[in-house]
Amino acid sequence: AQTVTQSQPEMSVQEAETVTLSCTYDTSESNYYLFWYKQPPSRQMILVIRQEAYKQQNATENRFSVNFQKAAKSFSLKISDSQLGDTAMYFCAFMKHEAGSYQLTFGKGTKLSVIP
Amino acid sequence: GAGVSQSPSNKVTEKGKDVELRCDPISGHTALYWYRQSLGQGLEFLIYFQGNSAPDKSGLPSDRFSAERTGGSVSTLTIQRTQQEDSAVYLCASSRAGRSYEQYFGPGTRLTVT
Repeated sequence: AQTVTQSQPEMSVQEAETVTLSCTYDTSESNYYLFWYKQPPSRQMILVIRQEAYKQQNATENRFSVNFQKAAKSFSLKISDSQLGDTAMYFCAFMKHEAGSYQLTFGKGTKLSVIP
Repeated sequence: GAGVSQSPSNKVTEKGKDVELRCDPISGHTALYWYRQSLGQGLEFLIYFQGNSAPDKSGLPSDRFSAERTGGSVSTLTIQRTQQEDSAVYLCASSRAGRSYEQYFGPGTRLTVT
């Protein structure tokens, strides 16, 4: 079974600053996906970024980037130039990369507050 | 539709009553997923549909929980004889076939059992 751990229940950052959210995971799989989802107060989970484990290059989406360390089983999210709209719960998630896989395994989440 | 929709948005029910939660996936998405988000357990997978069939029901927490999908579209999650521990946000997601790594979530239904 896979587990995902987010060790920071809450974080805050000043507007326009950079913040990094941590995530570690445990798996015996060699190929898998890792995700960061954002959940604002509206409750709707929004995919922020996705990384495929076989790709060594870290994924980037505009102000969001990841630091994927496969050997260390670490997958952190960096948010640059933080904006008030980034205030949300952030969830790290794992999915096996094989035909028929469908189940996301989530961490407990990190509540991020962006301070004006 | 433009996105995954769920109804009702909020539901308050008395312990012991049955409830039905509805999910409308994105048009063309044949895969559908239910998750539960609770304070104690975090986000948990409940069930997955491919078309109208549910190959994996192992995430359903008890036999009071059931789900069905008709016409390869709308899905209903039914909880019978609700208990206080069923209080949670129930999230639905959908994806195209074979693209479970691109799950689009709905806004969820907040269920409160009093």
